[in-house]
Amino acid sequence: AQRVTQPEKLLSVFKGAPVELKCNYSYSGSPELFWYVQYSRQRLQLLLRHISRESIKGFTADLNKGETSFHLKKPFAQEEDSAMYYCALLNNAGNMLTFGGGTRLMVKP
Amino acid sequence: DGGITQSPKYLFRKEGQNVTLSCEQNLNHDAMYWYRQDPGQGLRLIYYSQIVNDFQKGDIAEGYSVSREKKESFPLTVTSAQKNPTAFYLCASSALAASNTEAFFGQGTRLTVV
Repeated sequence: AQRVTQPEKLLSVFKGAPVELKCNYSYSGSPELFWYVQYSRQRLQLLLRHISRESIKGFTADLNKGETSFHLKKPFAQEEDSAMYYCALLNNAGNMLTFGGGTRLMVKP
Repeated sequence: DGGITQSPKYLFRKEGQNVTLSCEQNLNHDAMYWYRQDPGQGLRLIYYSQIVNDFQKGDIAEGYSVSREKKESFPLTVTSAQKNPTAFYLCASSALAASNTEAFFGQGTRLTVV
């Protein structure tokens, strides 16, 4: 069975502070990992995926297979980063997408 | 305008009634998903489908049913057997291509049992 765990339901930081949203997964194969974001009154949308190795809106995430983690990081948080963030895992067959419980990020001025 | 559309946005149901939530996509995606979003519990997978006339149960399929008669449509029926149906329901679709695995989401349907 595949499972995604986000241990923090809420993360509150001040503007300019570093941010790390934690994500751990369990899966026997080689999964594809994603971070999705849901801004207020907007649809859930893709933020980044591990295979792209890209930085989006200053966020990066590195897949650590040894620790089965895919933590999302940003060195300097901005108020507009306040949103709900979900870590997700896609199985090898590419047909089952599982989400974690989500972390609400609040960036205070 | 390509995308994934859920309707209605708000739905009210009396206890004991079945209700069907609509999900349509014109992205030519093979895979479609239904999730339930509850506060503090994130997105939980109800059903998913990767091809017409085939679908699989997710983690919380009890009390729900789906059909996939057309590639672009994946309606979800919330039956009277679902013990706690009041929730926000999200539909998603994605291509089954290794190079394009992004999932696209609808705006959601908020179901309230009265």
